[in-house]
Amino acid sequence: DAKTTQPTSMDCAEGRAANLPCNHSTISGNEYVYWYRQIHSQGPQYIIHGLKNNETNEMASLIITEDRKSSTLILPHATLRDTAVYYCIVRVAATSGSARQLTFGSGTQLTVLP
Amino acid sequence: DAGVIQSPRHEVTEMGQEVTLRCKPISGHNSLFWYRQTMMRGLELLIYFNNNVPIDDSGMPEDRFSAKMPNASFSTLKIQPSEPRDSAVYFCASSYRTSQETQYFGPGTRLLVL
Repeated sequence: DAKTTQPTSMDCAEGRAANLPCNHSTISGNEYVYWYRQIHSQGPQYIIHGLKNNETNEMASLIITEDRKSSTLILPHATLRDTAVYYCIVRVAATSGSARQLTFGSGTQLTVLP
Repeated sequence: DAGVIQSPRHEVTEMGQEVTLRCKPISGHNSLFWYRQTMMRGLELLIYFNNNVPIDDSGMPEDRFSAKMPNASFSTLKIQPSEPRDSAVYFCASSYRTSQETQYFGPGTRLLVL
């Protein structure tokens, strides 16, 4: 699975959009970009994933550059409860008959400020 | 849906004692993962199962660790004998095996070995 690079920490004002970047310059054509987050003292939580098209769900939007070498997770209106470590993970889709594990890096500590 | 259930939530034991951590995956999920999280090493995969069969246990630290999944609704991770360096948060996650499966994590078990 491709390696990812994320900033160690970021701050965001409450109510503003939080834009979390991730670099994955060695990504392969069959690798997806996944985002998880971990709120303090809780288990990781799935946010969103994508292959090459931009994706949006009730939690966030994922913008993947055309060359797929980087992506940005957008939390449109950050709240204090969004304070967490955000992990960008690049992973090949599971093949038939076999699930695939997640390899977590260090992630980005997002702090939403009041 | 109750989500992934782990027990106990906290465990304090003395070096040399046997420790058993338990996990109940989400009903209908057929893949189960055990992760360990420490400050030094972050989140790392220990072992995962597909349809109750262990697929990859290369992350299991040593022979003191063992994991079983006797049926689709229950798994255990056992440490015998435990050592202080085993102190960590142990997470269980489950997923339904598709090409893009997302993993759902439990709340974790905080283990302290004195």
